Amino acid sequence: DVKVTQSSRYLVKRTGEKVFLECVQDMDHENMFWYRQDPGLGLRLIYFSYDVKMKEKGDIPEGYSVSREKKERFSLILESASTNQTSMYLCASSPPAYEQYFGPGTRLTVT
Amino acid sequence: AQSVAQPEDQVNVAEGNPLTVKCTYSVSGNPYLFWYVQYPNRGLQFLLKYITGDNLVKGSYGFEAEFNKSQTSFHLKKPSALVSDSALYFCAVRDMRGGSYIPTFGRGTSLIVHP
Repeated sequence: DVKVTQSSRYLVKRTGEKVFLECVQDMDHENMFWYRQDPGLGLRLIYFSYDVKMKEKGDIPEGYSVSREKKERFSLILESASTNQTSMYLCASSPPAYEQYFGPGTRLTVT
Repeated sequence: AQSVAQPEDQVNVAEGNPLTVKCTYSVSGNPYLFWYVQYPNRGLQFLLKYITGDNLVKGSYGFEAEFNKSQTSFHLKKPSALVSDSALYFCAVRDMRGGSYIPTFGRGTSLIVHP
């Protein structure tokens, strides 16, 4: 079975802190994704990566950056957390063009 | 760009009755379509996909979906709903962005199955 793990299920941070969300997949997938999910807004793509050290902006990249140094790991970085970044963050991986496999999500609260 | 629409925010059905969750698509060319389910406080799980071939696609947990090219629809169905089917359901279509194939998701439909 494909496994996508995220470093934390729940996280509470203070405004202005630097936040790292880690995602690891064990299926050698080329593509990895970060989404945020908010009630009524569905899934919004923040960034995706199609190869090591490669990244593409999604629909809402402002306030976020990413890092992919190894194929299995894709990190989302909030340089200076703000309250409007309180959300559920979902990581996913996939082979090119096919279905995605999601991690369990990280519910981030910024106070 | 490719897109999908889920016209219903919420669907209510009684346990044992058939259920349908609707999805329509807008694509240029042949669509790759997907359904995912999300249980409370969990990530999304892949249910089924249509790429080509048979218009009726069978997936996990007894779900199936019917691809209808003339109506540009890909509705999710199950003959007999269970209370445990209550969840959020997302339709998605494969899109091309930045030279890569990535999915575009609908807004999601909340399915509530009443005992």
